[in-house]
Amino acid sequence: QSVLTQPPSASGTPGQRVTISCSGSSSNIGRNTVNWYQQLPGTAPKLLIRRNNQRPSGVPDRFSGSKSGTSASLAISGLQSEDEADYYCAAWDDSLDGHYVFGTGTKVTVL
Amino acid sequence: QVQLQESGPGLVKPSQTLSLTCSVSGDSISSGGFYWSWIRQRPGEGLEWIGYISYGGTTFYNPSLKSRITISVDRSENQFSLRLDSVTAADTAVYYCARGDGYTVGADWGPGTLVTVSS
Repeated sequence: QSVLTQPPSASGTPGQRVTISCSGSSSNIGRNTVNWYQQLPGTAPKLLIRRNNQRPSGVPDRFSGSKSGTSASLAISGLQSEDEADYYCAAWDDSLDGHYVFGTGTKVTVL
Repeated sequence: QVQLQESGPGLVKPSQTLSLTCSVSGDSISSGGFYWSWIRQRPGEGLEWIGYISYGGTTFYNPSLKSRITISVDRSENQFSLRLDSVTAADTAVYYCARGDGYTVGADWGPGTLVTVSS
């Protein structure tokens, strides 16, 4: 059902940079800001990036977000073992009277 | 620091109604500018936004679930609730409540509660 497409998996060794893509359309990412969430195993999601590139208080500056056209990206610099988690992008979608959509999710593995 | 906590039955029979409550502490649910959402996650799957109720009481629902959902607020108890009618096994999920603003659903989340639909 998700209209935001992410790669199912990504991986890297400690210290590396990992990038996760999020592909949408003109009705969602093309018009609205993108948020990113981190979900550690067995826990609730946590807001990681809001409004394309803003980090909430307490989020390390290793995490950064960007948006261009109908796509967005999350970058993790200096990958750490505790970054192993599922990551979801999300945005408001203006179709069907409007609704909030999450991406398909990306599992990040630290090798 | 706001805290949210979901509560409700962990087992619901098919065709019955799922009812969950989210208790909010550390902030008033009537605080201006916040939107109080329900989100669910089926086992092994991704996240699905269910809907929200605003600080002013306006509701907004996922079109795919709209015919079966009611989200309401009890300001005296500082709680908001989800009612999902006519449940099936496909409604088995971890249900989260969350607080957000006009741009962001889920700046703060509850720990989630697993609801299983089974006879």
